[in-house]
Amino acid sequence: GAVVSQHPSRVICKSGTSVKIECRSLDFQATTMFWYRQFPKQSLMLMATSNEGSKATYEQGVEKDKFLINHASLTLSTLTVTSAHPEDSSFYICSATRNYRLDTQYFGPGTRLTVL
Amino acid sequence: QQQVKQSPQSLIVQKGGISIINCAYENTAFDYFPWYQQFPGKGPALLIAIRPDVSEKKEGRFTISFNKSAKQFSLHIMDSQPGDSATYFCAASGRGGSQGNLIFGKGTKLSVKP
Repeated sequence: GAVVSQHPSRVICKSGTSVKIECRSLDFQATTMFWYRQFPKQSLMLMATSNEGSKATYEQGVEKDKFLINHASLTLSTLTVTSAHPEDSSFYICSATRNYRLDTQYFGPGTRLTVL
Repeated sequence: QQQVKQSPQSLIVQKGGISIINCAYENTAFDYFPWYQQFPGKGPALLIAIRPDVSEKKEGRFTISFNKSAKQFSLHIMDSQPGDSATYFCAASGRGGSQGNLIFGKGTKLSVKP
């Protein structure tokens, strides 16, 4: 159990367009979902935390108007990168937790975003 | 300060050898210490985790050793195999709220030579 999926697995888009990434918990209801960003050969950087039905909490330095997060249900969260630019190219990974503590997180397979 | 320091940055081990990765933390409120394994182009997978009420946890070839007084914990991979070649991240988190978020180390790239 505790499977998290992401779609798409990779996306290439032109500069200025918006891209939506979906994160789903397949076999459990996720109390909280997280969005991370990972640059090559670097660690995971937390971007935001979201709970179903409420506004996401963004980490310092993350532009909430650029990275829109919607947590529509207990099994689905979406990240929309608006007006994407080449510097937004990265590996985006979501995770989900099913307990009241935020620690045991199950990660999705990641989405490789390339902005031309 | 909420930091987790991980070493070494990279590690080369012969097949059958023991791989050891170390992490140190500063925040005494941390009470959950997981290790994640990540293959290139994939998301991290939870490998093993420990809470501070025990000093060691073993799952198959993977063992976490935890030293609460030194604020250090380590991952030992026994009988390392080429398939273990991946990047390993330690992490830590505390109780509730924003302190519940995982704080990751910078990762260790493990290469197991046949």
